[in-house]
Parts: sequence; structure tokens; C-alpha cells
Amino acid sequence: GEDVEQSLFLSVREGDSSVINCTYTDSSSTYLYWYKQEPGAGLQLLTYIFSNMDMKQDQRLTVLLNKKDKHLSLRIADTQTGDSAIYFCAESIDFGNEKLTFGTGTRLTIIP
Amino acid sequence: SAVISQKPSRDICQRGTSLTIQCQVDSQVTMMFWYRQQPGQSLTLIATANQGSEATYESGFVIDKFPISRPNLTFSTLTVSNMSPEDSSIYLCSVEDRDRNYGYTFGSGTRLTVV
Repeated sequence: GEDVEQSLFLSVREGDSSVINCTYTDSSSTYLYWYKQEPGAGLQLLTYIFSNMDMKQDQRLTVLLNKKDKHLSLRIADTQTGDSAIYFCAESIDFGNEKLTFGTGTRLTIIP
Repeated sequence: SAVISQKPSRDICQRGTSLTIQCQVDSQVTMMFWYRQQPGQSLTLIATANQGSEATYESGFVIDKFPISRPNLTFSTLTVSNMSPEDSSIYLCSVEDRDRNYGYTFGSGTRLTVV
């Protein structure tokens, strides 16, 4: 079955860039997502990328996809204290009718 | 984007009882998804609910334990039946959000503690 892996923890100094990595095993993955979960809150969609794209940029967020290595990353520029959260990558093979398979989540801690 | 109202936001329940969680969406959606997030874990899909048909359950989840209703295109309920402490989790509903071009929107979650 599908497997999505992330490192569990990341600590970054305020103002630096954060890079959160994700690897997946399903070569059929077509849609890849990044979600943010703040303490006590639901999931917030940050961004997504199609498998036929290499990169997507949205303000402070940059998503890189290496489809050959099945590796996805999320870069947060100028990390702020409000970026402290758990970040989940997720994949699906279709949109609308298919479930999301989530990674294990990376807890991002900002060091003042 | 779609807005989901999920309730209750949290509850503490006695073992052996049942809890019904409701999700109301502000637009019509074909599929609604129910996920479970156990403490410190990632999200796992419980079932997919399509209006007018039986929900489709993932491996490890059964209808007797997690009955789902989907009476119309904007509403669904998930019941956690005969609860035990192992059912303590966050339960979230989700819908595809065509307003956001291929994103999925999640409810704020129901934090369930079984004692």
C-alpha cells in the first residue's frame, strides 16, 4: 500500500528558512499536498502540487517535487513564530473521489 | 473555499456509550471523508461517504463500530459506537473543495476522550 514518510521534528531559528521533507512510495500519486495543523486546530491546506510539476511558489512557501526519487519538500522562507505547527504532506491518485494518504507529520519548532 | 461546521468540538464519554459527530458543509459535495487522528499520530481514513449509498470503509474499520449517515449533499454524521479508551482520538471530516482547485478542506475536528 501507499506509504508516506516524514521526519518527526524540525527546529529552526526565527528568520531562517525551514525545509520540511517528505518521501512517498506510490508512483501513481498525482496530487501532493501540504497541510498545517496548529495545536487544538483542524488541518489547513497550505499548498498543493501536481505530479507533472517540479516546483510551485506561493508567497513564503516553495514546494519542490522530485518525481523520480518520490521526494517532496516544503520550504518556508523567513520562518516566524506563527509557523510553529505540525506539517503533514499527503498524496492522492485522483481528486474528489480518492482518499488522502498522510505522512507522519513534522513538528516545526521556532527558536527565538 | 468550502466551510465545514463540525460538532461537537470535544467530548468526554464513558466507555460503552456512543457519540455521534456531525459535519455540515456550506455547499453541496459529492464525497465526504471521515478521518481519525490518534494521539501523536497521523490521519487515517475511516470511510468515504457518498450521498445515497452505503459508506465505503477502509481496512480495519467496520460499519457496526463506525456507522455513517449521509442523508443529503451537505451533511454527514459519524457515530463511534460502544466506545473504549482506545477510541480516544480526534475525528475529522473532509470534503473536496473545488473552489480551491483540488484541495481538500477539513472540519476543525472532534477531540474525543473515552474514560
